[in-house]
Amino acid sequence: AQSVAQPEDQVNVAEGNPLTVKCTYSVSGNPYLFWYVQYPNRGLQFLLKYITGDNLVKGSYGFEAEFNKSQTSFHLKKPSALVSDSALYFCAVSPPGGYQKVTFGIGTKLQVIP
Amino acid sequence: GAVVSQHPSWVICKSGTSVKIECRSLDFQATTMFWYRQFPKQSLMLMATSNEGSKATYEQGVEKDKFLINHASLTLSTLTVTSAHPEDSSFYICSARDGGGSTYEQYFGPGTRLTVT
Repeated sequence: AQSVAQPEDQVNVAEGNPLTVKCTYSVSGNPYLFWYVQYPNRGLQFLLKYITGDNLVKGSYGFEAEFNKSQTSFHLKKPSALVSDSALYFCAVSPPGGYQKVTFGIGTKLQVIP
Repeated sequence: GAVVSQHPSWVICKSGTSVKIECRSLDFQATTMFWYRQFPKQSLMLMATSNEGSKATYEQGVEKDKFLINHASLTLSTLTVTSAHPEDSSFYICSARDGGGSTYEQYFGPGTRLTVT
């Protein structure tokens, strides 16, 4: 069975500093990996995905993520955090093909401190 | 593009009544739609996968007779919570996958907050 782990319930970072939100996964075969962001009482917004190719994926709002197959990780990063980045971030994985069930992590709350 | 809407965004109902939530893909055809439930401070739990024109596939532990899902067209799926109880209070989110594209991300609706009193 596939699974996603987000080891940090909350990440605090000062505005302007780089941020990292961690994600590790477990799935059979080559994974499809996603990051989504959720603002309070809102649905999820897609940030970026890794399907194949370059391990460094660039997404919306200046976010990027690095796929590391040996460490089964897909950490979300941003060089300079904004207060408006404060939200709940979900990592998700699906098996190869992309048409099967997507499994979400429990979410990490990002708090950017002015 | 790729906008998914949900209606209503917020609903309060009395225990024992039924509530219908609509999920629409506004600018694409969604052959597959998904219904999730999210409890406070928890992740999204997939309830069911809905394919246009066929019966929904429910996840283990989800009561199909309680959570009725209909996907009658390529742009609309509905979730009906029948005989609602306070424990059904939750945030329900739908998502849709573009049937004509090669993308694999799901496009999410804004969610519906259900409160059963």
